[in-house]
Amino acid sequence: KQEVTQIPAALSVPEGENLVLNCSFTDSAIYNLQWFRQDPGKGLTSLLLIQSSQREQTSGRLNASLDKSSGRSTLYIAASQPGDSATYLCAVRRNQAGTALIFGKGTTLSVSS
Amino acid sequence: EAEVAQSPRYKITEKSQAVAFWCDPISGHATLYWYRQILGQGPELLVQFQDESVVDDSQLPKDRFSAERLKGVDSTLKIQPAELGDSAMYLCASSPSGSEQFFGPGTRLTVL
Repeated sequence: KQEVTQIPAALSVPEGENLVLNCSFTDSAIYNLQWFRQDPGKGLTSLLLIQSSQREQTSGRLNASLDKSSGRSTLYIAASQPGDSATYLCAVRRNQAGTALIFGKGTTLSVSS
Repeated sequence: EAEVAQSPRYKITEKSQAVAFWCDPISGHATLYWYRQILGQGPELLVQFQDESVVDDSQLPKDRFSAERLKGVDSTLKIQPAELGDSAMYLCASSPSGSEQFFGPGTRLTVL
């Protein structure tokens, strides 16, 4: 059974710092991996989608990497801002298009000004 | 920009009452998902539709939960009767071809 773990569970940093969020999964046979942002009491906003054949994806100050063989992904946030404060969720899809996502519990990030 | 719509955004109900949630996916998205997210946890799949057909409902508590997508467009999730443990965020997502999933704002259910 696929399990997704996110470390750390919570992280507090001062504004301007670069940071890395970690995600690990137990079964390397994934179709893709998606990083989401969730603000308190809100739905999920997709940040980056990495296909199993890709190594990384970038969007603005965000960079996500994927090492499928070791079952790991990282989300790198450059020059953090208070507006980045949210919970970041990692999710993987099994090795079939269209199957549901399996989520980690998330990392709650707080960026202080 | 097209979005997944959900209503209501918040629902407070008493134990043993019936509740229903509605989801309208992004136009043209054939795959629709309902997830449940308990506070502090990641979302977990309840049911997945491909057009009007159920693809996966293995985690749906079928004694009290039901879901339908009659015309392959919008969908309704129902709970009857609601229990205290059903308090959670109910999230709907859609996908055009089984790739990236797009989520709605969710319905926050509180059962008293």
